[in-house]
Amino acid sequence: EEQLVESGGGLVKTGGSLRLSCVASAFTLSDAWMSWVRQAPGKGLEWVAHITSKGAGGTTEYAAPVKGRFTVSRDDSKNTLYLQMNSLKTEDTAVYFCAISRGRGPLYHFPLWGQGAQVTVSS
Amino acid sequence: EIVLTQSPVTLSLSPGERATLSCRASQSVSTYLAWYRQKPGQAPRLLISDASDRATDVPARFSGSGSGTDFTLTINSLEPEDFAVYYCQQRSDWPVTFGPGTRVDV
Repeated sequence: EEQLVESGGGLVKTGGSLRLSCVASAFTLSDAWMSWVRQAPGKGLEWVAHITSKGAGGTTEYAAPVKGRFTVSRDDSKNTLYLQMNSLKTEDTAVYFCAISRGRGPLYHFPLWGQGAQVTVSS
Repeated sequence: EIVLTQSPVTLSLSPGERATLSCRASQSVSTYLAWYRQKPGQAPRLLISDASDRATDVPARFSGSGSGTDFTLTINSLEPEDFAVYYCQQRSDWPVTFGPGTRVDV
């Protein structure tokens, strides 16, 4: 069964850094386009970042609230996706999900999600 | 940014009843709209993509319709696991955005 498993979440002070990992199992990550989506406590879903496959150039995109602070990357040899989060703010507190991005046409939907990693930023 | 509005905010129904959920976009998204179900403490699950295509292993009681700015998710004969929050999501224009959700409860 195809699965995504996140790790690396935790409690950090404002201004600090954290790196999330997302390991794929039962499928090869190298062909997949991937995203990070977050959900603040009691709130809805917010797309955070996206990376294409290396074959498609490894292009990255970011939501405005995180641009310049977060970096998405991938290590296909480890079947792993990363989200490096710097200069964290209290409003970054959320559960962070990694997800496969898929779709013909302009952008993508998300057919497979990880279970999520909790990130809490305190002042 | 395309804003998605979902109605109602909460839908109170009983098992076996039909649920009709709406999603409206601030501008046309063609048929580039998806629906997800999220149970408490779990990740969202894709139900419908491109307005009306059921995702893999999604039961036939789920159906989607619409195009342009107005979309509907219909759940025929609610099962206990269907009492959850439902989100719509557009992939027509940057950035991808989600609606605020509709809660279906008993």
